Amino acid sequence: GQQLNQSPQSMFIQEGEDVSMNCTSSSIFNTWLWYKQDPGEGPVLLIALYKAGELTSNGRLTAQFGITRKDSFLNISASIPSDVGIYFCAGQLPGNFGNEKLTFGTGTRLTIIP
Amino acid sequence: DSGVTQTPKHLITATGQRVTLRCSPRSGDLSVYWYQQSLDQGLQFLIQYYNGEERAKGNILERFSAQQFPDLHSELNLSSLELGDSALYFCASSVGPSNEAFFGQGTRLTVV
Repeated sequence: GQQLNQSPQSMFIQEGEDVSMNCTSSSIFNTWLWYKQDPGEGPVLLIALYKAGELTSNGRLTAQFGITRKDSFLNISASIPSDVGIYFCAGQLPGNFGNEKLTFGTGTRLTIIP
Repeated sequence: DSGVTQTPKHLITATGQRVTLRCSPRSGDLSVYWYQQSLDQGLQFLIQYYNGEERAKGNILERFSAQQFPDLHSELNLSSLELGDSALYFCASSVGPSNEAFFGQGTRLTVV
């Protein structure tokens, strides 16, 4: 089946730094979603992308749906302590019956160094 | 609060036992997904229902089963439990089968 490669696996940054992470797929996706998960909690939806080339912002977060439809990027500007957590990308295949499940990337663990 | 409710929040049980995890989707959502997340791992898709019918199946073990009821709540049944089944189990819901999904808080299952 399709796989999502998410990188980097982990990031150690200082407060105030900008962060970039990305997700690539072997398949074309119709939808890209970005989630953040805090320890022991459920993933929280950050940004949803529906069109190739789409660039969407949510506060300090900006995500893009790659032109090839096989990748997506998430940027966080001016990181703050509450940004710490694991970020997951998720992709959804074109809407054929039975194919709509979300496939998740392996996650990027963000740590802020004091 | 995502609006998706999962119960129980924690569950400790012995090997060989059977448990049922429950999920109430957001109001108006017809699609329910189940995911398994082992320690420090990603989210593995188990199964999806849409309006009471199975829509997609992932790597769900034969010992596991699920259903979605007429009131749209869903249950995930795990039987003949093994130590390796210990994990966080998440339910998510969406309006339709291909809309963005919102996750519940999860059920932490510990098999001892």
